[in-house]
Amino acid sequence: QIQLVESGGGVVQPGRSLRLSCAASKFTFSGYTMHWVRQAPGKGLEWVALITYNGFREYYADSVRGRFTISRDNSKDTLYLEMNSLSAEDTAVYYCARGTQSFDFDDWGQGTLVTVSS
Amino acid sequence: DIQLTQSPSSLSASVGDRVTITCRASQGIRNDLAWYQQKPGKAPKRLMYATSTLQTGVSSRFSGSGSGTEFTLTITSLQPEDFATYYCLQYNSKPLTFGGGTKVDIK
Repeated sequence: QIQLVESGGGVVQPGRSLRLSCAASKFTFSGYTMHWVRQAPGKGLEWVALITYNGFREYYADSVRGRFTISRDNSKDTLYLEMNSLSAEDTAVYYCARGTQSFDFDDWGQGTLVTVSS
Repeated sequence: DIQLTQSPSSLSASVGDRVTITCRASQGIRNDLAWYQQKPGKAPKRLMYATSTLQTGVSSRFSGSGSGTEFTLTITSLQPEDFATYYCLQYNSKPLTFGGGTKVDIK
């Protein structure tokens, strides 16, 4: 059973920054595309970003492009999401998910809650 | 961006019922569609990918069909553990997009 454990969530003021981490284990992290997906309270799922296995390519949702940066450290089996210029609309549970060769995702972490509020 | 329209947005059903959820794409996505089940307070779980390939360990009462722009998820003989919210996901092109979800609750 693979493990994905997100951390770094919390309460942050509008306009500030936050970095999320996702620690991966029990699979070869460096061989997989990884994603971030979020879910605002009581709402549906929204794909946020993906990064290819080697970190060479990144893709973003329009709603976060230019403000969020996905990255990874394959030596630490860890995925990151740097979030800048946060607004209330970014309040959500953020999940990391392991990608497949087809770019969907097969396993998810438990999520970390980010609340943007003054 | 490709829009996915799920219907219905909610439904009430009884144990043993057959349930069908539809997902329509705003343009053709070949068979690049997955289905996820989410229970309250939990992370989503993949049920199906490539339209009709069942995720390992998922009950065969779940099935998927379709191609191009119209897809369905069918649950035959609904069980108590199937009451949840279901989402479709297209991964044919970026940005990846989800349908709005279908909440299945107990009648």
